[in-house]
Formats: sequence, structure tokens, C-alpha cells
Amino acid sequence: GAGVSQSPSNKVTEKGKDVELRCDPISGHTALYWYRQSLGQGLEFLIYFQGNSAPDKSGLPSDRFSAERTGGSVSTLTIQRTQQEDSAVYLCASNSQGETQYFGPGTRLLVL
Amino acid sequence: QKEVEQDPGPLSVPEGAIVSLNCTYSNSAFQYFMWYRQYSRKGPELLMYTYSSGNKEDGRFTAQVDKSSKYISLFIRDSQPSDSATYLCAMYSRGSTLGRLYFGRGTQLTVWP
Repeated sequence: GAGVSQSPSNKVTEKGKDVELRCDPISGHTALYWYRQSLGQGLEFLIYFQGNSAPDKSGLPSDRFSAERTGGSVSTLTIQRTQQEDSAVYLCASNSQGETQYFGPGTRLLVL
Repeated sequence: QKEVEQDPGPLSVPEGAIVSLNCTYSNSAFQYFMWYRQYSRKGPELLMYTYSSGNKEDGRFTAQVDKSSKYISLFIRDSQPSDSATYLCAMYSRGSTLGRLYFGRGTQLTVWP
């Protein structure tokens, strides 16, 4: 069956520009997570959605980062005024309550 | 101190070797422990999942959890070149955001023929 998909696969942008990253979770999965993986680092939690609500935004690094989820499905992570330190792989995962998380392939963001 | 510590390696072994990967953690509330495998330019995929202390075996892979020592391990027997990947430990507790995972940095493993 279809897994978690993310787009774009790769994104190169200039410092100061805004970017939008998209995640399509597995159909029927109620929970959705965004993580960030910097070079040589583990996965850093960013935000969690249950349905369209985000009860835990504690991992967002600054107010330049925001995310939304609509229809209990697709989620978009937006980074405004990108900085070079935002360069990383952004991973999305989804699950249903009590199940393990399934990850997408990630979006590789490079800020020049 | 990070909540989950993992030696990033890299670790290089010959085919057929037994590989031991480890993580330590500081939060005694963690109850669920996972190992993910991540191939280059791919997302992590779940390899092993255990609850509380004990051992779990799946083919060539064995996961061990020692909650008293806050220490988890993954053993790979008869390692193969196809096992070359980054291995990430992850864990969570029911008390935190449901299912929010805390990851180690990952250990990069190379198995050479």
C-alpha cells in the first residue's frame, strides 16, 4: 500500500526566502509528526498533529516555523525567512493511536 | 545532557561479524523502545520494537532493553553488506505527547564483503 509521501524531495533556496514542505500521511492515520535531521544528528522533534490540531508545538525552533494540517490528512511545514542553519532533512511520520510511526523519505532543504 | 545518547560511529565490520549497537538514556519514564534503520537518502524504517525490559529476537536481529541500567542494545548476527545503514534508537513514554519519539544520533554501520 501507499506509504508516507513528501514533496519536494529536494529544495534549494536562497537565504531569506520562504519555503513550504508537504507531507501526505498514510490514509487513515490520525497522528502526524514532523522531525528535522541535521547532518550527523539524530531526529529532532518539531511538531505533532492529532487530526487537524497541534497539541504539541514545543519543538518548533523559532517563530519562523509554522505548520498546519487540513482535512486530517495533508500537512504543510512552512519556514519563513530561511536561514542557513535551517538546512537539514525534514521528515514526516504518521501513525494511528498506539501504533509505530511510519516515515516518509524526507525533504532535503539547502539554504544558500 | 541529551535524553538519548548514541555513539555515532562510524562502525566498520567484515561480512559475517556480530554487530552490537547501543544507546543509553536518562528518562526513567521511557517504556517503549525502537530501532530504526535508515539507508542513505531514505527515511527511517522500523526494525525492532520492544516494550519495557527484556529481549526480542527477529531473524538475525536481537533487541535488548535493560531499564535498570537505562541501556538498550541491538545485535546483528551474521551481518551482511545489505545491513550497511545508519541505525537509530528511539524511545517514548506514555506520559509524553502520545508517540512523540526521542532519538539517538544514529550509528553509521558499514559491512564490507
